[in-house]
Amino acid sequence: DTGVSQNPRHKITKRGQNVTFRCDPISEHNRLYWYRQTLGQGPEFLTYFQNEAQLEKSRLLSDRFSAERPKGSFSTLEIQRTEQGDSAMYLCASGRQANTEAFFGQGTRLTVV
Amino acid sequence: GESVGLHLPTLSVQEGDNSIINCAYSNSASDYFIWYKQESGKGPQFIIDIRSNMDKRQGQRVTVLLNKTVKHLSLQIAATQPGDSAVYFCAENKESDYKLSFGAGTTVTVRA
Repeated sequence: DTGVSQNPRHKITKRGQNVTFRCDPISEHNRLYWYRQTLGQGPEFLTYFQNEAQLEKSRLLSDRFSAERPKGSFSTLEIQRTEQGDSAMYLCASGRQANTEAFFGQGTRLTVV
Repeated sequence: GESVGLHLPTLSVQEGDNSIINCAYSNSASDYFIWYKQESGKGPQFIIDIRSNMDKRQGQRVTVLLNKTVKHLSLQIAATQPGDSAVYFCAENKESDYKLSFGAGTTVTVRA
């Protein structure tokens, strides 16, 4: 257990529904990342927060995706009008400033049917 | 474009032998290279990193080698154990950037 908690661990949803995932990072970490991982591939960067500020978003993050970190602590990732192509593992990671070591949670596996 | 990739998707190793996992990268501007281990059903776990101005770094049972001339990174695991069975990813990072760029991964299977 790295100390990064993600909920839920699994989510099955029907196409067109909205889903929201939560990430609780390690408390003293000011950096928080969201990644997406499909089967057999490495994680792909989605977005990054430093404290409550969202500093970068990947082109992978379409308009249907939104992430927040309102108080610089936990973060949520919402996907609206889910599509089958959204099925993947969504990983959250946190880290300290100027440190390459990122601690990943166990992920939320999303299946869109 | 920029990419980080691994030479072989799978590696089978006899327990007790040394493992070598390879990775080729294309982004010369990377400041750090990092190895992650991912066990089934879990998120990636940091193993070791190496700064771009270094050639070698050792950890507990692991050694990372960086050859900038040929843009090659390797992870050596000494005395491989069953618990080392996992998918291993190399990743790169720039200090001016925040994100890690991962390769596709090598699945290591340790034979008893």
